[in-house]
Amino acid sequence: GQQVMQIPQYQHVQEGEDFTTYCNSSTTLSNIQWYKQRPGGHPVFLIQLVKSGEVKKQKRLTFQFGEAKKNSSLHITATQTTDVGTYFCAGPGADGLTFGKGTHLIIQP
Amino acid sequence: GAGVSQSPSNKVTEKGKDVELRCDPISGHTALYWYRQSLGQGLEFLIYFQGNSAPDKSGLPSDRFSAERTGGSVSTLTIQRTQQEDSAVYLCASSLARSPLHFGNGTRLTVT
Repeated sequence: GQQVMQIPQYQHVQEGEDFTTYCNSSTTLSNIQWYKQRPGGHPVFLIQLVKSGEVKKQKRLTFQFGEAKKNSSLHITATQTTDVGTYFCAGPGADGLTFGKGTHLIIQP
Repeated sequence: GAGVSQSPSNKVTEKGKDVELRCDPISGHTALYWYRQSLGQGLEFLIYFQGNSAPDKSGLPSDRFSAERTGGSVSTLTIQRTQQEDSAVYLCASSLARSPLHFGNGTRLTVT
């Protein structure tokens, strides 16, 4: 079945440093979604990418969808303490939506 | 409008007891998902309902787990003869077909 893999599993950064998480699918995706889960909270939708090579920005967050539509990345510029949480990518599959295991972002002030 | 509502928010039960977890999706959302999340871990897919189609039960970890969705709206996840390894947060999400998921706040289940 479809697999969605994310790396790294954990990322420690100093406040102000950049952060990137990578997502790879075993199959070509029609779209990819990104979610953020704050500690103690539930996942919240951030963005959906649909087109091959698409790049979208939300303030300090930049999302990319690969040309082959099998990989994606999320880059945060100049991290802030409010960025703490787990970032999940997800792609549609037979089970509706398959999530990666997430990247835990830990920020040291 | 109201988001996805889950109840109870917390449930402590003794090993061997049955529990029922409820999910009230956003009105009009045809898709409903159940996920399980252990502390610090990812989202483990359990079951997926889409419209009136038969549910995809491929993620249910054992035959002690079952779920139903009545009238295409409210869903109940039932765990029979609970075990300590069932302790986790159970998350429900709903969506329009193929659109982003809206998650509830989850039910934290503790089996003692």
